[in-house]
Amino acid sequence: QTVVTQEPSFSVSPGGTVTLTCGLTSGSVSTRYHTSWYQQTPGQAPRTVIYNTNTRSSGIPDRFSGSILGNKAALTITGAQSDDESDYYCVLYMGSGIWVFGGGTTLTVL
Amino acid sequence: EVQLLESGGGLVQPGGSLRLSCAASGFTFSNNGMNWVRQAPGKGLEWVSGISSGLGDTLYADSVKGRFTISRDNSKNTLYLQMNSLRAEDTAVYYCARRTAYYDMDVWGQGTTVTVSS
Repeated sequence: QTVVTQEPSFSVSPGGTVTLTCGLTSGSVSTRYHTSWYQQTPGQAPRTVIYNTNTRSSGIPDRFSGSILGNKAALTITGAQSDDESDYYCVLYMGSGIWVFGGGTTLTVL
Repeated sequence: EVQLLESGGGLVQPGGSLRLSCAASGFTFSNNGMNWVRQAPGKGLEWVSGISSGLGDTLYADSVKGRFTISRDNSKNTLYLQMNSLRAEDTAVYYCARRTAYYDMDVWGQGTTVTVSS
């Protein structure tokens, strides 16, 4: 069974840089998984931050970037702001019409 | 404005059934694959099911396979999720989401809440 891993929580200081990762318990994440990153605040639907590994969604500030780091997908926030405090989920497209979400990372900005 | 609006959630007893609907507007519904994603209380997101735009190919997560059925009516711009043999662990907010050519889910509804309890 495919399990997608994320750090459960992360903390960053305002103005700081943080990198959240998205891995697999078996194997490496590559561009073929077309990783998307979603931001979700309580009571709201998720919204796309990054899609197709490294493309910023419309309206997303350029302090957000996506990449592959080693064997994981990564979401980097450079110059974090208080508005960035949210839950972040990655999702991998496994092929054949199947997606698998990671467990999510709760990001605290303080 | 591109919009998805779910409905049909509610309280149901274990073993019961519900049908969720997702009304699409502001785009050509037939051109996009669609997904259902759920979120149990205090938990993360879980992909539940998807349906393609063309032939309407369907796929399911193992957790719902054999119990849930996804379908679409392009003439009504509506996506459905028929949920049978419901269990307590199916309790969640259910979102419909539009799929893109980049395997992203770029538009989400506001969600509808399903509670399975006696």
